[in-house]
Amino acid sequence: KAGVTQTPRYLIKTRGQQVTLSCSPISGHRSVSWYQQTPGQGLQFLFEYFSETQRNKGNFPGRFSGRQFSNSRSEMNVSTLELGDSALYLCASSPPGQGYNEQFFGPGTRLTVL
Amino acid sequence: QQQVKQSPQSLIVQKGGISIINCAYENTAFDYFPWYQQFPGKGPALLIAIRPDVSEKKEGRFTISFNKSAKQFSLHIMDSQPGDSATYFCAARSMGGGSNYKLTFGKGTLLTVNP
Repeated sequence: KAGVTQTPRYLIKTRGQQVTLSCSPISGHRSVSWYQQTPGQGLQFLFEYFSETQRNKGNFPGRFSGRQFSNSRSEMNVSTLELGDSALYLCASSPPGQGYNEQFFGPGTRLTVL
Repeated sequence: QQQVKQSPQSLIVQKGGISIINCAYENTAFDYFPWYQQFPGKGPALLIAIRPDVSEKKEGRFTISFNKSAKQFSLHIMDSQPGDSATYFCAARSMGGGSNYKLTFGKGTLLTVNP
């Protein structure tokens, strides 16, 4: 079974721009979560989607948004990029019926904001 | 507000030694404690996990020790190998909105095992 895939793997943007990251979960997984990983803050939860609905949200500004499609694929969008948004953005999917017992992570998208 | 505190930030161990990583939490609502292992260029992967009604769980060379009264848990890696060199994250699960769970992660420990 294919793992979680994220595209693109690397991205360079400038301040003020916006960016869209994509995540394809493992087949059959309906829950998709997004995390921001930085050296100083570690892994921070952004939001979680299930059946096209946002179920949980972390403490990030409204510039960070996401959505999920009917095939469970998910996108996250960051508008008006700031230098501090440079990070590894990880997507994780969970199998049905297990809540957060196990999350399967993708390799991440490395975003650099110049 | 950091709800899961992880230490040390980095750790260097000789091959064959024991690696110990500690985590502490405040939220008594946490009900499940997984550890994740992350290699460079990869996403984190579940390594081992424990529920608070168990004081210890062992899988191969990896053991979680859990102290509910102290609100602490730790990962022990026995006979550490260079291939264990990675970043390790502890995490804790709590109920999010509705009936949904949410994972809170520690900041990670970079483990280096020297040959």
